[in-house]
Amino acid sequence: AQSVSQHNHHVILSEAASLELGCNYSYGGTVNLFWYVQYPGQHLQLLLKYFSGDPLVKGIKGFEAEFIKSKFSFNLRKPSVQWSDTAEYFCAVTSGGATNKLIFGTGTLLAVQP
Amino acid sequence: GAGVSQSPSNKVTEKGKDVELRCDPISGHTALYWYRQSLGQGLEFLIYFQGNSAPDKSGLPSDRFSAERTGGSVSTLTIQRTQQEDSAVYLCASSAPSGSVDEQFFGPGTRLTVL
Repeated sequence: AQSVSQHNHHVILSEAASLELGCNYSYGGTVNLFWYVQYPGQHLQLLLKYFSGDPLVKGIKGFEAEFIKSKFSFNLRKPSVQWSDTAEYFCAVTSGGATNKLIFGTGTLLAVQP
Repeated sequence: GAGVSQSPSNKVTEKGKDVELRCDPISGHTALYWYRQSLGQGLEFLIYFQGNSAPDKSGLPSDRFSAERTGGSVSTLTIQRTQQEDSAVYLCASSAPSGSVDEQFFGPGTRLTVL
């Protein structure tokens, strides 16, 4: 069965620090990868996605992620975080089969201190 | 346009009671998903609808859970004889199939508390 691991459960950074959140998945076939974000009091929203092509994908608010097939990884990065990036971040995978259900990681809670 | 809406936003019930949670997907979205977000289990898939049929119910945790969708639109998730372990945020998402994979748009969720 597919699974997704997020290594960092809780990250605290100061503004302007660089961010990298780890995500690894277990699935040998074709995968589609997502990062979702949940800001305090808001619903889940898509940050970025990878389906195929350039393994470096750019999302909203200056976030990017790199798909490294050999490492089964899809790490999220941002060169300089802001206080408004405080949120919970979820990595997810779908195999693109008939269901396209999302398999989520456990989430990483990011707190950015001003 | 309107996003995915869910009602109620909060539901407190007593153990053993039945509850119904409603989801209104984005108009025209044929795919609809229910997920559950709980402290111990994270975000888990429950059930998937394509139109009015549910080809994947593999995430429903027990036969106390059921869901239906009518008119290819509104969906209702029903939990019978609720238990304390059912306490969670129930999320609905919809997507419009336009290829192999599509972005899922999430609603705000229903927070269920079983006393």
